[in-house]
Amino acid sequence: DAGVTQSPTHLIKTRGQQVTLRCSPKSGHDTVSWYQQALGQGPQFIFQYYEEEERQRGNFPDRFSGHQFPNYSSELNVNALLLGDSALYLCASSSPGRENWLGYTFGSGTRLTVV
Amino acid sequence: TQLLEQSPQFLSIQEGENLTVYCNSSSVFSSLQWYRQEPGEGPVLLVTVVTGGEVKKLKRLTFQFGDARKDSSLHITAAQPGDTGLYLCAGALEETSYDKVIFGPGTSLSVIP
Repeated sequence: DAGVTQSPTHLIKTRGQQVTLRCSPKSGHDTVSWYQQALGQGPQFIFQYYEEEERQRGNFPDRFSGHQFPNYSSELNVNALLLGDSALYLCASSSPGRENWLGYTFGSGTRLTVV
Repeated sequence: TQLLEQSPQFLSIQEGENLTVYCNSSSVFSSLQWYRQEPGEGPVLLVTVVTGGEVKKLKRLTFQFGDARKDSSLHITAAQPGDTGLYLCAGALEETSYDKVIFGPGTSLSVIP
């Protein structure tokens, strides 16, 4: 049973460029959440997708956008990259609803370095 | 603003010692999770607690959810080098009908052989 798959694993981009990160959720999960984790810190919530729509969003600028496809996979797009966007980007999948939520399954992340 | 605090931030102990990590908030959670994360990897779920006062044991790890569902603790008995990692608590906020989850900043544990 495949877990959460993220690609690429590592990425180096230049300030001002745009980047797309990809995530395939665990089989049976239909909700995808994206987190940004700076070195030595806890994950910060970016947004969550369910039924191909953004269901909730954290305190991130509009430069961060996403998409969910009919097969539940998801993309995270970041425009006009800043040096401060350098971080580990984590994708987490889960089942919907508070009653059914027993925690996330995380991917291994994409390490983005902006130079 | 909802916040989850963890203490201590860093912990370095000798193999065989016991330790406790704390997770506190002013918010009420419908459930709370503990994760362990190793460098360069995503967090791995250790346990979910949902009932106030609940205690769960996972081998040498004991997890407790506060009666008011605002805090939690993780106790490790006879720590081993394999326990080294970043321990994260995460809570699902009760105010929403779906899982709005916040993470604490983590406790970095180093177990020295």
